[in-house]
Amino acid sequence: RKEVEQDPGPFNVPEGATVAFNCTYSNSASQSFFWYRQDCRKEPKLLMSVYSSGNEDGRFTAQLNRASQYISLLIRDSKLSDSATYLCVVNLYSSASKIIFGSGTRLSIRP
Amino acid sequence: DVKVTQSSRYLVKRTGEKVFLECVQDMDHENMFWYRQDPGLGLRLIYFSYDVKMKEKGDIPEGYSVSREKKERFSLILESASTNQTSMYLCASSPHPGQGTTGELFFGEGSRLTVL
Repeated sequence: RKEVEQDPGPFNVPEGATVAFNCTYSNSASQSFFWYRQDCRKEPKLLMSVYSSGNEDGRFTAQLNRASQYISLLIRDSKLSDSATYLCVVNLYSSASKIIFGSGTRLSIRP
Repeated sequence: DVKVTQSSRYLVKRTGEKVFLECVQDMDHENMFWYRQDPGLGLRLIYFSYDVKMKEKGDIPEGYSVSREKKERFSLILESASTNQTSMYLCASSPHPGQGTTGELFFGEGSRLTVL
């Protein structure tokens, strides 16, 4: 079983739609969680950290469910510029940071 | 701004050659990582290091080794390159997660290696 699993998509939604991505992780000892965004032919960049209480940054909301080992990202009122691959990332930190990526979910926003 | 610099953007090597990929970061980060990225497989962790001369295997270390002689530099070595090592290689660094930091990863621009 992969350590971090995501639906690969692609998701193709109209501008203004709400879209949700899900991610599961296998190691219950995982310490911290992130969503990264990767544009075509670019390196990944941090979108947001994910906290147990859930957190929001503008149109983006991230949730963590430790009991189910599940992370989600919700994008509201999607824009054309949101088209990218979204990567779920887990830090299996104990004595050292072992940071594992999901394989990514591709999102295309159409006009 | 954090800067992670990878020595080569594009390399073409022949099967059996020894390949060095160099990565330097300028933010005094403790942690450094090497990933490879392939279509449909995402980023897979090859090796990581949490301190000078310390290294840990990631998920796919076979065929690779690493060196961290100085805190700012983390090198990936392919002792004898093979065609299945053709890939995009991404180096990243991060501080230890803790007060005031999220442990965010900062990436270099990547090195695209083709092995013929």
